[in-house]
Amino acid sequence: VTLTESGPALVKPTQTLTLTCIFSGLSFNNDVIRLAWIRQPPGKALEWLARIDWDDDDKFFNTSLKTRLAISKDTSKSQVVLTMTNMDPVDTATYYCARVRSGEVFDPWGQGILVTVSS
Amino acid sequence: QSALTQPASVSGSPGQSITISCTGTSSDVGNYNLVSWYQQYPGKAPKLIIYEVTTRPSRVSSRFSGSKSGNTASLTISGLQADDEADYYCSSYAGSATPYVFGTGTTVSVL
Repeated sequence: VTLTESGPALVKPTQTLTLTCIFSGLSFNNDVIRLAWIRQPPGKALEWLARIDWDDDDKFFNTSLKTRLAISKDTSKSQVVLTMTNMDPVDTATYYCARVRSGEVFDPWGQGILVTVSS
Repeated sequence: QSALTQPASVSGSPGQSITISCTGTSSDVGNYNLVSWYQQYPGKAPKLIIYEVTTRPSRVSSRFSGSKSGNTASLTISGLQADDEADYYCSSYAGSATPYVFGTGTTVSVL
């Protein structure tokens, strides 16, 4: 299983961030597909943001960021999209996409994408 | 949901054993046997090393082990090696409302 994040490296304050995670190695027929977004500000800890479950389209969000987050899936493109509105410099972080496996574990992770919020 | 509490840093000499604690609450660590641990090298993505409190993926060295008592989970690294120098994060399932919480992270140094 491989996950690859993509998106802008730089966004301005108040703008909306859109990140894409393309995955491979998962079967829509045979695998339980649950994908999550996690971020990590420079030098700081990991923070879980959101999760989407492929089969039933259930979505879960970090309650402290819920009003700013949206997550969606595109089966034809094997990708999941995260949007975060009203970006602020404190949102500067490396954003990771990860598969959520049985046991509620994040494995594997994408390589991450550093997003800087600055005017 | 507050982050799980880990010591900021732990150090040890080569060959020694060290233990990293991860303290949560009765709503997360204490309520579910769904604690996992991740190793992260600088500039790299985290990698899973322990899940479901004590289970180690086959690719992970047996020098890594996990345990839990009450609201505190622990990661022990035995036979410390230079390659173990990294950041370590715990994570726990916390219920359907906000399913996941991470720890504050611990930097391991090999003296």
